[in-house]
This record gives sequence, structure tokens and C-alpha cells, in this order.
Amino acid sequence: DAMVIQNPRYQVTQFGKPVTLSCSQTLNHNVMYWYQQKSSQAPKLLFHYYDKDFNNEADTPDNFQSRRPNTSFCFLDIRSPGLGDAAMYLCATSTGGGSTDTQYFGPGTRLTVL
Amino acid sequence: GQNIDQPTEMTATEGAIVQINCTYQTSGFNGLFWYQQHAGEAPTFLSYNVLDGLEEKGRFSSFLSRSKGYSYLLLKELQMKDSASYLCAALDSNYQLIWGAGTKLIIKP
Repeated sequence: DAMVIQNPRYQVTQFGKPVTLSCSQTLNHNVMYWYQQKSSQAPKLLFHYYDKDFNNEADTPDNFQSRRPNTSFCFLDIRSPGLGDAAMYLCATSTGGGSTDTQYFGPGTRLTVL
Repeated sequence: GQNIDQPTEMTATEGAIVQINCTYQTSGFNGLFWYQQHAGEAPTFLSYNVLDGLEEKGRFSSFLSRSKGYSYLLLKELQMKDSASYLCAALDSNYQLIWGAGTKLIIKP
């Protein structure tokens, strides 16, 4: 089945210790998104790639970086996690086809910062 | 600014009908999405409306009024498994999704 996969599902890291979250997709979608979602809040878009074109949201901290080495994979790097970065991180994909562009989500990675 | 408003929490009884409202203000508009999100899981797509009117899909229906900046999600014959958060999201003129904080729906037997 075509899908969006995120690894790991649960990640524990120490304050200040770099961490990388991964996302892969078998949907062959052009666009990949990274969201941060804290409890009872809306998902917050961090950045997205349209193919290789990187689009950073204005209020995304420099502490968050992303890489998309190929169509299928996208990584979220948190260079120095703080306690406030504990959240669910959601990867989503879409075709990038305009107004009917539905985003499909992976299962998420729950990050705990000790 | 861009804004999505929906109630924080609603309670309904198993077998009943519930309507979750959403109002939006966005820079341009290219459609409205409803997603379901169970606790600790990712959002899953429920519906998309871009034209005025009601779209029915099984037990779930979604309505849109562009002139009023208003949508609702209607859930019929509620089941315990429908207990979840329901997120409203509007697609703006840049095709960016503007998300609401979600409505937590609690189903009681």
C-alpha cells in the first residue's frame, strides 16, 4: 500500500543533543511537509519542499533544519533540542496540484526532551 | 490575519448526530478540509469542500458557505470510535493550509 512512513515513532533525546527524524513516502508526491503539533493545538507548519525547492516558514527557528535527498525521503534535524521542542512531529505529502491538493500524513514521531 | 475558529470541545451521545462548526478568515480561499485525529495519532483526511453546499460521505457530511466563511462537519449515528479531535483547515491563496486547533469530540454511551 502507498503510504507515508515516519521513524522512529517515539524519540527520546537529551537537552541540547542533536536528533534527526525521518520520513519516507511511496506515493511519489512532489511536496513533503514537516509540522510540529503540541497537545490540543493546531499543527504548525515548519517548512515544506516542492520537489527540491525548500520553503521555510518565517517563524521556524534556526534550530530546525531539513533535508530532502530524493523524492522519497525527507529529514528533520533539530540541532539543539530544548524542552519547548517536545512535541509530535508530523510529516505529510501532497501532489502539489493546487486547489484539490490533499495532504496525507504519516503516523508522527513523538519527541521527548529530557 | 488568517484565522480558523472552531469549538474546543463537544460532547454527544452514541447513536446521535453532532455538528461541528468552523469559521475561517484567510487571504484568498481555495477550499476547506476536515481531518480526524485520534489521540496520539496523525490526522486522517475526511473531506474537502470548495463549492457551496453539502458533500455527503457515508455517516459524515461536510457543508461550506463561502460567502459566510463557514463550514460544518456533520456526524450521524455516532459510534464510540468517533471520539477524536476534528480539525478544520482552509487552503489560502498561496495553497497553504491554515489549521484550526481542533474540536475534541467526546462520545458517551
